[in-house]
Amino acid sequence: DQQVKQNSPSLSVQEGRISILNCDYTNSMFDYFLWYKKYPAEGPTFLISISSIKDKNEDGRFTVFLNKSAKHLSLHIVPSQPGDSAVYFCAASAYNFNKFYFGSGTKLNVKP
Amino acid sequence: DAGITQSPRHKVTETGTPVTLRCHQTENHRYMYWYRQDPGHGLRLIHYSYGVKDTDKGEVSDGYSVSRSKTEDFLLTLESATSSQTSVYFCAISPGGGTSGSNEQFFGPGTRLTVL
Repeated sequence: DQQVKQNSPSLSVQEGRISILNCDYTNSMFDYFLWYKKYPAEGPTFLISISSIKDKNEDGRFTVFLNKSAKHLSLHIVPSQPGDSAVYFCAASAYNFNKFYFGSGTKLNVKP
Repeated sequence: DAGITQSPRHKVTETGTPVTLRCHQTENHRYMYWYRQDPGHGLRLIHYSYGVKDTDKGEVSDGYSVSRSKTEDFLLTLESATSSQTSVYFCAISPGGGTSGSNEQFFGPGTRLTVL
């Protein structure tokens, strides 16, 4: 059973608007969360992370929100750009275990 | 970019043949991982290593074995390939250590394996 779930396989957004990608997890031991971005024929690249001691982390156009009580995190991209079109994976780990669990990914399409 | 390479990048093989994929890093990171990516499943951990000769199983380890005799190399072996092992395989590295920023993984470019 998947411990990290991304229930939206795809998302289409107009350029300049906000993109919101969602992720849910089931394991309460997870305390570190990451988002990765993947272009076709390339490996995933790290985007942004958040520790469970925070509920928000911001890096430029990217903000990750964590709701521990709901076991839910989201990635906000504002404003969205066509170059953001990619597959986004969320991942979770228990901080000291260095073992990561990934969601199934959400394919974001930003239309010009 | 983290120095991580995978070889081969593409391979076509037949059912029942052994296959070895290689991951090589130049970052001296402690942790190395093998994942497979399949539609609808995202990235699933096969095996990982936390040091030379120290390995452990992931979510989907059946049919796979690994070895790490040097810090820089992590090998994934399919002893007898099956069609269900057709996938894209990614290697990743991580410094580990449990400190801020050490949980990030850096991924290789992937190996596309087709088992006929």
